[in-house]
Amino acid sequence: GESVGLHLPTLSVQEGDNSIINCAYSNSASDYFIWYKQESGKGPQFIIDIRSNMDKRQGQRVTVLLNKTVKHLSLQIAATQPGDSAVYFCAENTSGTYKYIFGTGTRLKVLA
Amino acid sequence: EAQVTQNPRYLITVTGKKLTVTCSQNMNHEYMSWYRQDPGLGLRQIYYSMNVEVTDKGDVPEGYKVSRKEKRNFPLILESPSPNQTSLYFCASSPSGKRGGELFFGEGSRLTVL
Repeated sequence: GESVGLHLPTLSVQEGDNSIINCAYSNSASDYFIWYKQESGKGPQFIIDIRSNMDKRQGQRVTVLLNKTVKHLSLQIAATQPGDSAVYFCAENTSGTYKYIFGTGTRLKVLA
Repeated sequence: EAQVTQNPRYLITVTGKKLTVTCSQNMNHEYMSWYRQDPGLGLRQIYYSMNVEVTDKGDVPEGYKVSRKEKRNFPLILESPSPNQTSLYFCASSPSGKRGGELFFGEGSRLTVL
């Protein structure tokens, strides 16, 4: 498959454990945040989003936490599965602009 | 099926030979955008379009052109490709990027310029 990043930080977790992937965002004016999953050879897929008026949002097996004080975003994946192996990156956006800023990503490896 | 379709998926070309990467979306989205993805860097925006006939530069527009004659199509044109444009390119669309919404991505186009 294609490599989307040769020097990405890597998180290795045991199948069934929980994963936490972190992201520091750059713009204090950003008020909308998205987590994407990118599998080898594929385009980024939406996982979950959160707006700045919230500090936590839950989806199916995923939770996003937002800490605006320190400009930090995290993605928690419960009961990590082999199919979760991918590169995960965050994106930030400021309402009223067409600008999205993307993080470089973290590679998640799920160990059987 | 709602999707963003890019073509070609893979292309090897030589310096100076004009090429076009097509992008089409079937979701009636107003906003479309092109990104390039390089190792160690986040997605970087090349050009974007808010609607038909409305386009603007992103962060790395040099060497690229775009057009938006129809709502569904947003081709990326490399008039005279150079090796530093070797990259993985993604097209994305959104109902309205200005309101801050999910970006839907295509599967990517891997371009190599020799």
